Amino acid sequence: EVQLVESGGGLVKPGGSLRLSCAVSGFTFNNAWMIWARHIPGKGLEWVGRIKRKTDTRTTDYAAPVNGRFIISRDDSENMVYLQMNNLKTEDTALYYCARRYCNETNCYDDAFGDWGQGTMVTVSS
Amino acid sequence: QSALTQPASVSGSLGQSITISCTGTTSDVGAYNYVSWYQLHPGKAPKLIIYAVTNRPSGVSNRFSGSKSGNTASLTISGLQAEDEADYYCNSYARGSTLVVFGGGTKLTVL
Repeated sequence: EVQLVESGGGLVKPGGSLRLSCAVSGFTFNNAWMIWARHIPGKGLEWVGRIKRKTDTRTTDYAAPVNGRFIISRDDSENMVYLQMNNLKTEDTALYYCARRYCNETNCYDDAFGDWGQGTMVTVSS
Repeated sequence: QSALTQPASVSGSLGQSITISCTGTTSDVGAYNYVSWYQLHPGKAPKLIIYAVTNRPSGVSNRFSGSKSGNTASLTISGLQAEDEADYYCNSYARGSTLVVFGGGTKLTVL
């Protein structure tokens, strides 16, 4: 059974930092591209960024609002993906999800995410 | 404001069909055949129901179908069932620094 479990959310002051973790099981993690996305209360889903697999040099890409403040990393030996969030702003308040890029039998799709966790809530407030 | 535009809400009666639109630009929906749709029930993880505009992952009901014309993608749900009541989001691959853009979501009410 595929499982993704996020943790590390909480209340943090503006300008502060937080590190989210995502523990993965049930699939070959080191072969997967992973993403972080967020659901902002009262608004929609937002793609935060992605990290490719080792054979794709673990390249990372980020959404414009978080570029330069957030860092995605992974530990293939532990089946973990992380989101380091620095210089947090009130507008970063959201439910944060990790998810896996979807692949069918023949192709992978960079905009499709087939497995998601339940999310961890981050609140940025003074 | 979300990058892709969806109606805030739609409704339909049991057994009927509804369509949710997702309008982008020539830099996202119109540029690629990479539009996905997700179903969100409160408190649950998002569920991928359509990928690459028209394709359903294994296990997703064939009552869900997708299409695209120009800069607008659409999700159609036929034979509405009570369990279809949820929020639906589209996304698209995009040109620019933000590689994936989402719509603002549509709340489906089944009457």
